[in-house]
Amino acid sequence: EIVMTQSPATLSVSPGERATLSCRASQSVRRNLAWYQQKPGQAPRLLIYGASTRATGIPARFSGSGSGTEFTLTISSLQSEDFAVYYCQQYNNWPPPYTFGQGTKLEIK
Amino acid sequence: QLQLQESGPGLVKPSETLSLTCTVSGDSISSNNYYWGWIRQPPEKGLEWIGSTYYSGSTYYNPSLKSRVTISVDTSKNQFSLKLSSVTVADTAVYYCARPQDGNYYVSWGQGTLVTVSS
Repeated sequence: EIVMTQSPATLSVSPGERATLSCRASQSVRRNLAWYQQKPGQAPRLLIYGASTRATGIPARFSGSGSGTEFTLTISSLQSEDFAVYYCQQYNNWPPPYTFGQGTKLEIK
Repeated sequence: QLQLQESGPGLVKPSETLSLTCTVSGDSISSNNYYWGWIRQPPEKGLEWIGSTYYSGSTYYNPSLKSRVTISVDTSKNQFSLKLSSVTVADTAVYYCARPQDGNYYVSWGQGTLVTVSS
């Protein structure tokens, strides 16, 4: 099973600043990596797939990069609605299982 | 517009079987090449992929749960279901059903349903 490790566990950033979240895979997942945002009491929302492609309706301030085992989600200028928990997910395996990272909580500084 | 809705008991006793159904509207389970999935999230914890099913009945399960999980599909009702046997308090979680996109990342999610395992 591929293990996904996210860092940091919690990130404190001020509104308007840039946030950089990391996700590492225990083995190469090529570019088969997705990012989700989850707010309290809500289902996760897909932000990024294919490591760097924004999902429909996702603002341009969200960007993803990386390949292989190292990935980054960058939020260029934090808005109040961006404070949430972010998860990465690899979907490289076939057949599954697919695995998620443990999450990074982005909080207001 | 695609919608997924989980339903089932919110309370299950230890050692019993958890049963949930996902009702799909706005799309046909059998019309696309998707493996419809179940994902869960224990309180204050991360996401865990449980398994997925194709409309033909083909299934894949998380190895950590495989001995206890059964996912089935009912195309006539446009539903797919989850059964998890011999539950313990560790199975207390919000259970989501979801549909992937071209790759196996999840674009559409149900709202989730909390299942508590308690006597």
